[in-house]
Amino acid sequence: AQTVTQSQPEMSVQEAETVTLSCTYDTSESDYYLFWYKQPPSRQMILVIRQEAYKQQNATENRFSVNFQKAAKSFSLKISDSQLGDAAMYFCAYRNYQGAQKLVFGQGTRLTINP
Amino acid sequence: GAGVSQTPSNKVTEKGKYVELRCDPISGHTALYWYRQSLGQGPEFLIYFQGTGAADDSGLPNDRFFAVRPEGSVSTLKIQRTERGDSAVYLCASSLTSVGTDTQYFGPGTRLTVL
Repeated sequence: AQTVTQSQPEMSVQEAETVTLSCTYDTSESDYYLFWYKQPPSRQMILVIRQEAYKQQNATENRFSVNFQKAAKSFSLKISDSQLGDAAMYFCAYRNYQGAQKLVFGQGTRLTINP
Repeated sequence: GAGVSQTPSNKVTEKGKYVELRCDPISGHTALYWYRQSLGQGPEFLIYFQGTGAADDSGLPNDRFFAVRPEGSVSTLKIQRTERGDSAVYLCASSLTSVGTDTQYFGPGTRLTVL
């Protein structure tokens, strides 16, 4: 079974600075998807960024980018120019390319932005 | 509707009672997922529907949990003989299809408290 591990329960960063959230995963599959979701206090999970494992290029979405290291099974999220609205729980998630369509989530990292 | 909606937002019940949690997916989305999020944890998969049928119910913890989607749109998660350990936020998500590239869009969840 696939597992996802986020080893940083909490992180904090000064507004306008850059922060990196870590995620590792375990799978025997060669093709899969990886995601970062944001969960603000409203509880609604919001997709931040997605990476297809067969793509070597790291995904970017405005201030958000990932560092995908397939051999190391590592998938970190970098947030540049942090803003107060970035404060939330961040979850890393895995999904098989074929077969089971469920998302497997990590335990989450609580990100605090200091003004 | 504009997004996935879930009702009720909060539900308090007594141990041993029966509860129903409702999910309205985004219009036209054929795939629907239920997850359970315990306090301080990431969401855990419960069940996934493709159309009216349950394509994967491997995450349901026991036979007290049951879900239906009779017309391929609205889904209801049913919990019989509730226990205090069932207290959690129950999240629903939908996607256009079950293809891996399709994003799962989440609702705000139902917080269930079993006294």
